[in-house]
Amino acid sequence: DGGITQSPKYLFRKEGQNVTLSCEQNLNHDAMYWYRQDPGQGLRLIYYSQIVNDFQKGDIAEGYSVSREKKESFPLTVTSAQKNPTAFYLCASSIAGSPRGELFFGEGSRLTVL
Amino acid sequence: AQRVTQPEKLLSVFKGAPVELKCNYSYSGSPELFWYVQYSRQRLQLLLRHISRESIKGFTADLNKGETSFHLKKPFAQEEDSAMYYCALGGYQKVTFGTGTKLQVIP
Repeated sequence: DGGITQSPKYLFRKEGQNVTLSCEQNLNHDAMYWYRQDPGQGLRLIYYSQIVNDFQKGDIAEGYSVSREKKESFPLTVTSAQKNPTAFYLCASSIAGSPRGELFFGEGSRLTVL
Repeated sequence: AQRVTQPEKLLSVFKGAPVELKCNYSYSGSPELFWYVQYSRQRLQLLLRHISRESIKGFTADLNKGETSFHLKKPFAQEEDSAMYYCALGGYQKVTFGTGTKLQVIP
């Protein structure tokens, strides 16, 4: 069954701790993205990657880090430097060069900082 | 810079009434516009894209470059249309979303 898998679905973290959210896709897509979804603010781009071993900061990258060592994987680390990490995080992928914006989304990970 | 504006957070309409969800964009290049939908307890998914000029589930959207708009329309709302709708702009390498409009169809 092809698609994007995010894990965990729910995560609780204490202040000061880093946490890593997993995103795996088996769609053979080149591009992958991380968005943060907050009520009333829509989706805001954190990081994106068009190709393995390369990634760019999105609009709200501060306090986050990513890696793209494999085509199918794009993990997001929420660091202790992120001032307001409690949110719903969405991972997406697309075919590089396809109409820009045809994104396939995971089910999301909800992070709560206690 | 690329920006997408959805002015309405919530739009309530009666079943059978016409629907128009507004979307305006700002982009210096040639834009690619999309509408995404998120039904309750489902993942975000593509509804339609302007380059296809298609009608999906009765919804259509026309790109108006003069007014920089890409409003989503449906002549007769159905209860199953209740969902969160996001307008999105595909720019150079990245995709920018609006803040979303919650459509509530009243039976």
